[in-house]
Amino acid sequence: ETGVTQTPRHLVMGMTNKKSLKCEQHLGHNAMYWYKQSAKKPLELMFVYNFKEQTENNSVPSRFSPECPNSSHLFLHLHTLQPEDSALYLCASSQVRGVADTQYFGPGTRLTVL
Amino acid sequence: KNQVEQSPQSLIILEGKNCTLQCNYTVSPFSNLRWYKQDTGRGPVSLTIMTFSENTKSNGRYTATLDADTKQSSLHITASQLSDSASYICVVILRTLYGNKLVFGAGTILRVKS
Repeated sequence: ETGVTQTPRHLVMGMTNKKSLKCEQHLGHNAMYWYKQSAKKPLELMFVYNFKEQTENNSVPSRFSPECPNSSHLFLHLHTLQPEDSALYLCASSQVRGVADTQYFGPGTRLTVL
Repeated sequence: KNQVEQSPQSLIILEGKNCTLQCNYTVSPFSNLRWYKQDTGRGPVSLTIMTFSENTKSNGRYTATLDADTKQSSLHITASQLSDSASYICVVILRTLYGNKLVFGAGTILRVKS
């Protein structure tokens, strides 16, 4: 295991539901990330948090709302999603220290929007 | 435009055989390049990291090469095993004023058959 856990592992939701994805890192890292992985496409970076502060939001629709209460936990709140939002959502963490910080990924949450 | 192209998209080989995966990139300014392995149902795990000055780096049966002049990298897998079946993702790290930015390839799906 990489030291990054995600729950739930699988989620099926309707377009009117509200749900949250949870990520926890046990590595003492200072940065956390949300990625979207769709079939046959490169990973898309959604949000970046450094020291609990959001430092990057890659034009993500407002139906995705991140929350980082502390440096070990990261949430992604979902509401009124669309079927095209179905994907694998990966959380990652790293210790940002310059050139070569390695990102450690969680196992992902497989999201299906009906 | 910063892009990472991987080939082939997918590959099937027999157990024990060697294979080479390709990665071409147009990212600039280049910081370093990583290969990740993503098993089914798991997040990506870093295999190798290569900086601008490194040409070859090995990690067990995995050998990565980098030609920074032609902006090409390859991942060579020797004596493949069934457990090598996974998606292999090439990631080029771009250095920006705000820190490092990761540019992901779409991955090569490798299947090793017995």
